[in-house]
Amino acid sequence: NAGVTQTPKFQVLKTGQSMTLQCAQDMNHNSMYWYRQDPGMGLRLIYYSASEGTTDKGEVPNGYNVSRLNKREFSLRLESAAPSQTSVYFCASSEAPVGNTEAFFGQGTRLTVV
Amino acid sequence: KQEVTQIPAALSVPEGENLVLNCSFTDSAIYNLQWFRQDPGKGLTSLLLIQSSQREQTSGRLNASLDKSSGRSTLYIAASQPGDSATYLCAVPNYGGSQGNLIFGKGTKLSVKP
Repeated sequence: NAGVTQTPKFQVLKTGQSMTLQCAQDMNHNSMYWYRQDPGMGLRLIYYSASEGTTDKGEVPNGYNVSRLNKREFSLRLESAAPSQTSVYFCASSEAPVGNTEAFFGQGTRLTVV
Repeated sequence: KQEVTQIPAALSVPEGENLVLNCSFTDSAIYNLQWFRQDPGKGLTSLLLIQSSQREQTSGRLNASLDKSSGRSTLYIAASQPGDSATYLCAVPNYGGSQGNLIFGKGTKLSVKP
């Protein structure tokens, strides 16, 4: 019953530090996504991977990189964290691109950059 | 550019009341619309996915309708319970921008009083 699993759940970084957010899904989905959620801004797409081996930029990709490690795993990396990257990050997956199928979300990673 | 609006931003009702949450979108060329629930500090839980060919979708006490021509969807909750208290989000796929990008409304925060 795991669905989409994100690690860590909470993280505090100092400005300039780097870290990788991990995401794994056990539903054999082809497409995976990273969103950030900010008060007043709602959810915005950072990067997505329509299928294994492909990644594309979303609405707010600056300052982030991603890796689709295999079909199950999609990681998000912050190379040099900035206070503007303080947010809640959600990973999601779907069987096909979301235009056709239902999306499922993880529990989120709450990141604070000081 | 697709925009999704949810009104009201917050709603407080007594237990047992039937209620309707509203979602409107500016571009009616959508393939589906998805409703989510988000509990405080938690991830998004998918409630219902309505395909553009459908007009209604039901799950338990929840009923979602879709009227593409008017750019509207409603989520009807029957016999509300305190456990229904959460933020409800609607989302549609965005084909004008990144493939697979879901455009979210800012949500309606529902509080059901015992």
